[in-house]
Amino acid sequence: EAGVAQSPRYKIIEKRQSVAFWCNPISGHATLYWYQQILGQGPKLLIQFQNNGVVDDSQLPKDRFSAERLKGVDSTLKIQPAKLEDSAVYLCASSPRTGTSETQYFGPGTRLLVL
Amino acid sequence: GENVEQHPSTLSVQEGDSAVIKCTYSDSASNYFPWYKQELGKGPQLIIDIRSNVGEKKDQRIAVTLNKTAKHFSLHITETQPEDSAVYFCAASTGSARQLTFGSGTQLTVLP
Repeated sequence: EAGVAQSPRYKIIEKRQSVAFWCNPISGHATLYWYQQILGQGPKLLIQFQNNGVVDDSQLPKDRFSAERLKGVDSTLKIQPAKLEDSAVYLCASSPRTGTSETQYFGPGTRLLVL
Repeated sequence: GENVEQHPSTLSVQEGDSAVIKCTYSDSASNYFPWYKQELGKGPQLIIDIRSNVGEKKDQRIAVTLNKTAKHFSLHITETQPEDSAVYFCAASTGSARQLTFGSGTQLTVLP
């Protein structure tokens, strides 16, 4: 079974530029998560999707971050404009369903450096 | 919301010794506690998990214990090997959407 795929793996941009990350979850997984992991810290949830609907985006900085999951499969996370403090690893995870304590499977992450 | 604290932040052990990492959580409604291993440049990988109706779970050299009354859980790795060197994260799941709140991580180094 293929795992969670993410691209690009690395991205370097200058502040105020925009950037987008892509995630393809494990086939059949209804729930998709985006996390931000700052160096030396644990992952922090940004947004959770159930199929193509948003379950929780309370920790997403909506003035600059946006995310979508069209057709309930792939997802994109965008930052516009980027700030220095956005430098982090952006992790995508998926799980079979929500409402129960289901395992989350993580992708390799996208490492973003904002200069 | 949930708060998860993890200790120690770094841990060095000799190959063959045991390693113990401890976490505490704040929300008594949390009922699922996974442990993830993250190697350099990779995403977190689930190594073991425990649900609140179980006090202990073991998988070969790895075990997790849960004390619901005290709201803490621990990861035990026996007969450590150099390939166990990585960052380990505990997490707690709560809320209707079963979201994970992660601890701050423990850098485990197994010295040959």
